[in-house]
Amino acid sequence: EADIYQTPRYLVIGTGKKITLECSQTMGHDKMYWYQQDPGMELHLIHYSYGVNSTEKGDLSSESTVSRIRTEHFPLTLESARPSHTSQYLCASGTVETQYFGPGTRLLVL
Amino acid sequence: GESVGLHLPTLSVQEGDNSIINCAYSNSASDYFIWYKQESGKGPQFIIDIRSNMDKRQGQRVTVLLNKTVKHLSLQIAATQPGDSAVYFCAEEGTSGTYKYIFGTGTRLKVLA
Repeated sequence: EADIYQTPRYLVIGTGKKITLECSQTMGHDKMYWYQQDPGMELHLIHYSYGVNSTEKGDLSSESTVSRIRTEHFPLTLESARPSHTSQYLCASGTVETQYFGPGTRLLVL
Repeated sequence: GESVGLHLPTLSVQEGDNSIINCAYSNSASDYFIWYKQESGKGPQFIIDIRSNMDKRQGQRVTVLLNKTVKHLSLQIAATQPGDSAVYFCAEEGTSGTYKYIFGTGTRLKVLA
C-alpha cells in the first residue's frame, strides 16, 4: 500500500467557492500528478510536477492551479468552483516509471 | 444514484476461469505501458508493466502481452478470483521520458461465483 494521502475524501460545495484539494506523499517521490475521473470513465491528466518548483499543465483543460513548494505536498486549487467541476480528483506520485495513486477526492459542486 | 459502469465495457468471467482484458493504444512510438486495477471507491493500483522491447511479461497470476504491429495490449488473469472484480485500465507513456501517461477506457471485470 502506497503512502499517499488525499483530503478531503468527499466535498460538497456551492458555486463560486474557492477550494483546495490536498495531496501528500511520504515516499520522497519527485513526480506528482493530478487526474480527473468521471464515474466509470478514463483518467485525464490535469497537472503534473517533476519536482519542487516544477508544475506543468496536462492534457485536459482545467481552471485549476497547483503548486509544489515541498516535495511531499502537491495541492490543487479551484479559484471558483462550478458544477462542471463535479468529478473525482485523483492524486498520484511516482518513481521513474510506477505511479502510486491516492484514494481520491469526490467533489460535488452545487 | 451514480451511473458508474454504464459507459464501461464489461467482461463477466466464472470464478476459476482465465480472464483476458484488451486495450488498443494510439501512439506507435509509445515505449512503456502499465495495467492498473481500480476497485470501487479507490484509486488505481499498479498491476504490471511492460516496455516496448518486450512482447510478454509475467507476474503473479497475471501476464501482459504487447503486439506492437497492431498496437494492442492485453492483460491475462489466471484462475480469476472474486477479489479480481474491478475496473482495469491500460496506460501508455505518451512520449518517452516525459512520465506523462495516457489512460484508456477501462474494462469492468465481474467475477461470477
